[in-house]
Amino acid sequence: DIQMTQSPSSLSASVGDRVTITCRASQSISSYLNWYQQRPGKAPKLLIYDASSLQSGVPSRFSGSGSGTDFTLTISSLQPEDFATYYCQQSSSTPRTFGQGTKVEIK
Amino acid sequence: EVQLVESGGGLVQPGGSLRLSCVASGFTFSNYWMSWVRQAPGKGLEWVASMNQGASEKYYVDSVKGRLTISRDNAKNSLYLQMNSLRAEDTAVYYCARGGVTAGRFDYWGQGTLVTVSS
Repeated sequence: DIQMTQSPSSLSASVGDRVTITCRASQSISSYLNWYQQRPGKAPKLLIYDASSLQSGVPSRFSGSGSGTDFTLTISSLQPEDFATYYCQQSSSTPRTFGQGTKVEIK
Repeated sequence: EVQLVESGGGLVQPGGSLRLSCVASGFTFSNYWMSWVRQAPGKGLEWVASMNQGASEKYYVDSVKGRLTISRDNAKNSLYLQMNSLRAEDTAVYYCARGGVTAGRFDYWGQGTLVTVSS
């Protein structure tokens, strides 16, 4: 199974900050990497697919990059509604696996 | 508008059974892979199972093989998860999600249904 490791596990940031979350795969997954946002008590929401493609309807302040084993999710200017937990997920092979999550909290 | 609505969760004793349902609307259900993803209380996301459009291909995480069974009825726009021999570690919110294997991303999710396995 491919293990996905996110860092940091949590971070504190202010509105307007630039935030970067990293995700590392235990083996190469090419660009088969997706990012999700989950607000408390809500279902996850797809933000980025195939490492860098923005899902329809997602604000352009979200962006993704990377390939192989190392990936990043960047929020260019953090907004109040962005305080949530973010998960990466590999779609290179089954079982599909997720990172452990990164909680973005208000500073 | 794409909608996925799960039902069937509840409290069940260890060793018991439960059947979850997910009704889809707003898209052509029979054209898509469908999946179940779960989340234990306070924990992260775990993919459980996926099924292709014609129900000829099914994939499961090892921890549920032989106990949980994914199925679908395209005429009813519905996805199911039959859960047998339930264990405490199966306690989680179960989400129905569109996507799975060929399109490996999960682009729409239901609101989830809580399954609690406890005596």
